[in-house]
Amino acid sequence: GQNIDQPTEMTATEGAIVQINCTYQTSGFNGLFWYQQHAGEAPTFLSYNVLDGLEEKGRFSSFLSRSKGYSYLLLKELQMKDSASYLCAVVPYGQNFVFGPGTRLSVLP
Amino acid sequence: DSGVTQTPKHLITATGQRVTLRCSPRSGDLSVYWYQQSLDQGLQFLIQYYNGEERAKGNILERFSAQQFPDLHSELNLSSLELGDSALYFCASSVVAGGSHSGANVLTFGAGSRLTVL
Repeated sequence: GQNIDQPTEMTATEGAIVQINCTYQTSGFNGLFWYQQHAGEAPTFLSYNVLDGLEEKGRFSSFLSRSKGYSYLLLKELQMKDSASYLCAVVPYGQNFVFGPGTRLSVLP
Repeated sequence: DSGVTQTPKHLITATGQRVTLRCSPRSGDLSVYWYQQSLDQGLQFLIQYYNGEERAKGNILERFSAQQFPDLHSELNLSSLELGDSALYFCASSVVAGGSHSGANVLTFGAGSRLTVL
């Protein structure tokens, strides 16, 4: 099976930078995804990595190291609306999405 | 609006009852997935359909069943409901069947159906 670990909760200040880590164990996969989910709402797609390195999309960036089974989501210039859960997910070869438990981020003024 | 439509948004029922949740995928998407998310829990994969055929099964109980119709909409049937079935049920769709080496894997989620079993 696949084990995906993320910190349960994080707190940061408005305007700051926060890094949310994700570690996983799978022999091979078709990509690593990050989703944002506000409480009681649908998850929304943020980013996708299939190769090692950094993918930047505005205030959000995602990094992947396949050899280390490690990814992080970097959020810059935090805003109050960024308070949400952030879900890391992998797509193992021939299988469906496996979601991590999510990290609940609270942005304080 | 993600383009994935789920009905009903809220549903309250009693133990032992049966309910049907409905999902219309985003236009052009052939694959439909069902997920369960209990309070403060992660997304649990239930089942996937691709172009009308069952593609993959996850942790779906025998009391639950689903199907995808020729127009690609899908229904999730939950029967003999128990208190523990209270959860958010999400439908998601994607262009491809999954497992492909591209961003076409991206899942687009509907707003969910919140089921409360009393």
